[in-house]
Amino acid sequence: EPEVTQTPSHQVTQMGQEVILRCVPISNHLYFYWYRQILGQKVEFLVSFYNNEISEKSEIFDDQFSVERPDGSNFTLKIRSTKLEDSAMYFCASSGRGSRNTGELFFGEGSRLTVL
Amino acid sequence: AQSVAQPEDQVNVAEGNPLTVKCTYSVSGNPYLFWYVQYPNRGLQFLLKYITGDNLVKGSYGFEAEFNKSQTSFHLKKPSALVSDSALYFCAVRAADSNYQLIWGAGTKLIIKP
Repeated sequence: EPEVTQTPSHQVTQMGQEVILRCVPISNHLYFYWYRQILGQKVEFLVSFYNNEISEKSEIFDDQFSVERPDGSNFTLKIRSTKLEDSAMYFCASSGRGSRNTGELFFGEGSRLTVL
Repeated sequence: AQSVAQPEDQVNVAEGNPLTVKCTYSVSGNPYLFWYVQYPNRGLQFLLKYITGDNLVKGSYGFEAEFNKSQTSFHLKKPSALVSDSALYFCAVRAADSNYQLIWGAGTKLIIKP
């Protein structure tokens, strides 16, 4: 069964450093998302991406964040200068054409980011 | 404001008994409602959704959910719980003014005891 894969599974970084989280969505999906979950808190929407551009983003997704689909298969989330409060589990998700409007997302297993 | 509430942080059920995990929502317009499950150290897995049609929706692993418009609820149910159902369950609703963004409940930890 096709799945969304994320790397790394866990990254520890120093405050102020740049971090890139990588995702390989399901191959025939067209819509891509990043969500995050701070430990013990709700899952929060960060950004959605379609047709090589951001479709929607939340207030969390400020200028420190960026997304890119550099090569047609990977979908990356970059945090330019990490802060302590960026420590969270980051989930990548994708959805196909038919599921876009019904919200059935397929999630990766997450990348845990720890900022020291 | 659009929101999802899961009033129980944790639900404990004996194996073989029926289980219910509660969810209520507040959203303008017709809601698209979802349940996802998260097993330890795993990602979120889609269980079921309500878009339109029958109020009782059946999903994966024997789960079902009942949409109740008057009570703005979408409770998750299973007739007979298994120990392997123990996990974190999230209710989510698609925001009415968004084609992409899901709004999530805080999650309910379900513990099934043998």
